[in-house]
Amino acid sequence: EEQLLESGGDLVQPGGSLRLSCAASGFTFSSYAMTWVRQAPGKGLEWVSSISGSGDDTYYADSVKGRFTISRDNSKNTLYLQMNSLRDEDTALYSCAKVAGYCSSGGCYWYFDYWGQGTLVTVSS
Amino acid sequence: DIQMTQSPSSLSTSVGDKITITCRASQDVRNFLAWYQQKPGKVPHLLIYAASTLQSGVPSRFSGSGSGTDFTLTISSLQPEDVATYYCQKYNSAPFTFGPGTKVDIK
Repeated sequence: EEQLLESGGDLVQPGGSLRLSCAASGFTFSSYAMTWVRQAPGKGLEWVSSISGSGDDTYYADSVKGRFTISRDNSKNTLYLQMNSLRDEDTALYSCAKVAGYCSSGGCYWYFDYWGQGTLVTVSS
Repeated sequence: DIQMTQSPSSLSTSVGDKITITCRASQDVRNFLAWYQQKPGKVPHLLIYAASTLQSGVPSRFSGSGSGTDFTLTISSLQPEDVATYYCQKYNSAPFTFGPGTKVDIK
């Protein structure tokens, strides 16, 4: 059974940093791209970042580009999101998700077929 | 970047009714369109990908159609367990943008 377990969420001051983790099990982690999606309280889903199975290719939303870094350790079956220069508007439940779809010469066509429960990040002074 | 819109933003209808949710992309996304269901307090679940392909285990009352810029999600006979917010997502290229969601409720 596929499982994704996020951790690392916390209350942090504006300008601070945080590293989220997502521990995966029940599937061959290195064979799948992974993604982070966030949901602010009472709001909709916002795609944040995705990474290929090898870790060689990464993608970011404009809202986090230059501040957040996605990475993975396939030996530990773990996905990470390093968040720096946090802002009030980064307050959200951050969920990792397993990517379905494929990549070709035309690009990567990724949607998300399994989601974790999420970890809450609150940015406030 | 391509923008995604959904209509209506919310709807309230009766058990057994047929409902249709529309998703529109600001540019052609071919058939690279997915639909998700998020029940209150729960994580999202994939319903449909490639605009019309039902994810394994999803009831057949759900269906999707469309291509290019205009897409629809249809529930043929609404059930109480379908109370949720439904999101479309385009995935022809990054950013993999979600629509704003459509909240479905029972009268």
